[in-house]
Amino acid sequence: DAKTTQPTSMDCAEGRAANLPCNHSTISGNEYVYWYRQIHSQGPQYIIHGLKNNETNEMASLIITEDRKSSTLILPHATLRDTAVYYCIALIGNTPLVFGKGTRLSVIA
Amino acid sequence: NAGVTQTPKFQVLKTGQSMTLQCAQDMNHEYMSWYRQDPGMGLRLIHYSVGAGITDQGEVPNGYNVSRSTTEDFPLRLLSAAPSQTSVYFCASSSHGPLRQVPYEQYFGPGTRLTVT
Repeated sequence: DAKTTQPTSMDCAEGRAANLPCNHSTISGNEYVYWYRQIHSQGPQYIIHGLKNNETNEMASLIITEDRKSSTLILPHATLRDTAVYYCIALIGNTPLVFGKGTRLSVIA
Repeated sequence: NAGVTQTPKFQVLKTGQSMTLQCAQDMNHEYMSWYRQDPGMGLRLIHYSVGAGITDQGEVPNGYNVSRSTTEDFPLRLLSAAPSQTSVYFCASSSHGPLRQVPYEQYFGPGTRLTVT
């Protein structure tokens, strides 16, 4: 699976959009980009995933660059409850999910 | 659906004791896995299973055994507990994706907090 690089931490004002970047420059054509988050002391929570196209669901949007070397997770209106560690994972089918260090997002009132 | 359930929520063991952490899911998911998370650290994969009767090792399998006799259950056994196994243990399950890939969207349990003294 391709290695991903994320900033260690980010801050975002409550009510503003949170844009979390992820670099995956060695991603292969059949690797998906998955995003999970872990709110303090809880089990990780699936957010969204994509292959080539941009994706949107009730939680977030995922923007993948055309060359697929990077992506951005967008939380459109961040709330205090979105404070968590966010993990970007590049994953080929039928291999287990391995977590990196992620980005610690702090939403500030 | 109860989702992924884990028991017990908390456990204290003495060094050398053995125990089994229970994990069950009621979503008919074929893929299940176990992770550990040490204080202030990331998640590390212990073992995983792509279906009943099939298990495989993850990043940190030493000191742990698993079996998968049913689709619903995936217990994790600590053979001889050591202080280094003090951690929070998370179980997860996933269905196949549309292209039969696993894991797909993984659902995690609430965790078991284990302390080994």
